[in-house]
Amino acid sequence: GEDVEQSLFLSVREGDSSVINCTYTDSSSTYLYWYKQEPGAGLQLLTYIFSNMDMKQDQRLTVLLNKKDKHLSLRIADTQTGDSAIYFCAPRNSGGYQKVTFGTGTKLQVIP
Amino acid sequence: DTEVTQTPKHLVMGMTNKKSLKCEQHMGHRAMYWYKQKAKKPPELMFVYSYEKLSINESVPSRFSPECPNSSLLNLHLHALQPEDSALYLCASSLENNSPLHFGNGTRLTVT
Repeated sequence: GEDVEQSLFLSVREGDSSVINCTYTDSSSTYLYWYKQEPGAGLQLLTYIFSNMDMKQDQRLTVLLNKKDKHLSLRIADTQTGDSAIYFCAPRNSGGYQKVTFGTGTKLQVIP
Repeated sequence: DTEVTQTPKHLVMGMTNKKSLKCEQHMGHRAMYWYKQKAKKPPELMFVYSYEKLSINESVPSRFSPECPNSSLLNLHLHALQPEDSALYLCASSLENNSPLHFGNGTRLTVT
């Protein structure tokens, strides 16, 4: 199965940019999603990128994909305290069932 | 607000009880999913229904029994659970098999 790794923790000051990194192993991944999970809640889809793209910008969010290195990143500009949450990278494979595998998750702490 | 509704929000059950978790969506999505999430871990796929037919069972023990009565509803029937089954159970749906997942807020299950 696919392995998806993220660093466990990131702390940034309010107003700074945050960069959350993700590495995955399945080079056939088609869509790569970013989800946000706040305490006690489900997962909220933030953005996603298709594997034939190398960058996607959506307001404060920028996704970069390096398909050769199987590396995905999520940049949050002007980070706010409301961005404090756990962020999951989730590639979808191209196999018959097109499973979505979630990364280990990165806890983002925003310091006021 | 999520468009995938899960009930109940919290459930405490004994090891000899039978209970059911319910999930509903009215977005016209044709794929529905059950995920299990333990504390500080990523969600793990349990079952996938596609067009109301079970397409993936990730070797889940038979004490968990899924049911998809129609395209808007997904149930998870629980019987003779163990304390280690205590977790957040998340339901998700997607328009098609390769579309982004939309999650509910989950049912927090405690088995005593």
